[in-house]
Amino acid sequence: KAGVTQTPRYLIKTRGQQVTLSCSPISGHRSVSWYQQTPGQGLQFLFEYFSETQRNKGNFPGRFSGRQFSNSRSEMNVSTLELGDSALYLCASSLEGRYGETQYFGPGTRLLVL
Amino acid sequence: EDQVTQSPEALRLQEGESSSLNCSYTVSGLRGLFWYRQDPGKGPEFLFTLYSAGEEKEKERLKATLTKKESFLHITAPKPEDSATYLCAVQARANSKLTFGKGITLSVRP
Repeated sequence: KAGVTQTPRYLIKTRGQQVTLSCSPISGHRSVSWYQQTPGQGLQFLFEYFSETQRNKGNFPGRFSGRQFSNSRSEMNVSTLELGDSALYLCASSLEGRYGETQYFGPGTRLLVL
Repeated sequence: EDQVTQSPEALRLQEGESSSLNCSYTVSGLRGLFWYRQDPGKGPEFLFTLYSAGEEKEKERLKATLTKKESFLHITAPKPEDSATYLCAVQARANSKLTFGKGITLSVRP
C-alpha cells in the first residue's frame, strides 16, 4: 500500500501571503490529522478531519484552516502568513480516527516564510 | 492538560552499548501511548502502540514498556542505523489527537 503523500514538499512564501498544503491518506483511511513541527515547540496538533467534517481542533489561530474531500484527501490553508509559521507541516492518516488507532505520517511539507 | 516529557534530550552511544529512553506522561484517561522514529527531513515512522500498564512490545533491537506514569524504549546492542530522533506521544480519552514529547535524539557511533 502506498503511504501518506503530501504536496508540495517545500515552499517558500513571504509574510502576508497565503498557502495551501495537500495530503492524500493511505487508501481506505478516512481520518486525516494535521500537525505543525518546529524546533522550539515540537509536534503540535492542528486539527482532524473525518467524513469531510472537522472533528477536533488544536490551539491555533483562525488563520489556520482545513478541509477534507469526499475521497478523504485533505488540504490545509494558512492565511496572512507570519514568520513564526515557518515549520514542517505533517499530515497523518488512520482508518477511522478511533481511540488507540495508529496514525501514519507523511513526509511533511517544509514551509519557509520570509 | 495532557503532558509528555522525554529524557534525556540527546543520547550518544557506542555501537553495541545498550540503553533506555524515558517518556513520562500525565494524561486524563490514557487511550494509547505511541512511539515513533523520525529521521532528518522525514515524517515520523510508527514503531509501537502500548495500551495498558504492564504491556511490552518488541521489534528487532527495540523493546517498549509501559507503566501508569511512564514508558521506556529499550535499545539493545544499537547500530549506527538506529541513530534518529525517537518521539513519544499519548492519546487521551477526550479526543483522538496525539500529544507529543519533544523527542530524544539518539546518535550511535560505530
